[in-house]
Amino acid sequence: QKEVEQNSGPLSVPEGAIASLNCTYSDRGSQSFFWYRQYSGKSPELIMSIYSNGDKEDGRFTAQLNKASQYVSLLIRDSQPSDSATYLCARGDMRFGAGTRLTVKP
Amino acid sequence: DARVTQTPRHKVTEMGQEVTMRCQPILGHNTVFWYRQTMMQGLELLAYFRNRAPLDDSGMPKDRFSAEMPDATLATLKIQPSEPRDSAVYFCASGSVGIAGAYEQYFGPGTRLTVT
Repeated sequence: QKEVEQNSGPLSVPEGAIASLNCTYSDRGSQSFFWYRQYSGKSPELIMSIYSNGDKEDGRFTAQLNKASQYVSLLIRDSQPSDSATYLCARGDMRFGAGTRLTVKP
Repeated sequence: DARVTQTPRHKVTEMGQEVTMRCQPILGHNTVFWYRQTMMQGLELLAYFRNRAPLDDSGMPKDRFSAEMPDATLATLKIQPSEPRDSAVYFCASGSVGIAGAYEQYFGPGTRLTVT
């Protein structure tokens, strides 16, 4: 079992819809999680961090953490074609998931 | 506009040659990370330094890879001798320790290495 698991996708949503990206992890003691966005041919870019159970909102992005279920998610509201990218989930110990490729169709 | 810089951006070399990649972290960040990204393995942590001291290099093949931080503004990753399986994009990232001891990392543009 990989330490950080993500569905590789691709995930396709229409413009304006909510995109839901999910991540599970194996270490129950993990305290912090990050979401990075990576456009094709570019480097990962930090978009959200979350350290406690519950939701954290930043503009159109909401990160959700459930430590009991070892589950972290990223919701993107009002998805735009410019959100089309690979989204990487990372644990605080620098372990990254394989990434989920998101396509937002106009 | 603070950003991590990496050189070279692209490198093509023959098997057996030495490769040196350089990274300049964001001023004020005390931790530097080296990653390798391939389609098969994804993003893998190779090594990281805090205040120029190596903290973890367990992800690095020891026989051919070495990482150093000669000063606070320069980190290097060397491969000697290089092999075709080293072909990948190598990213440097920098950050400072934050909440719960974790790092919000800022990545450089990467070095795309091709070993023929």
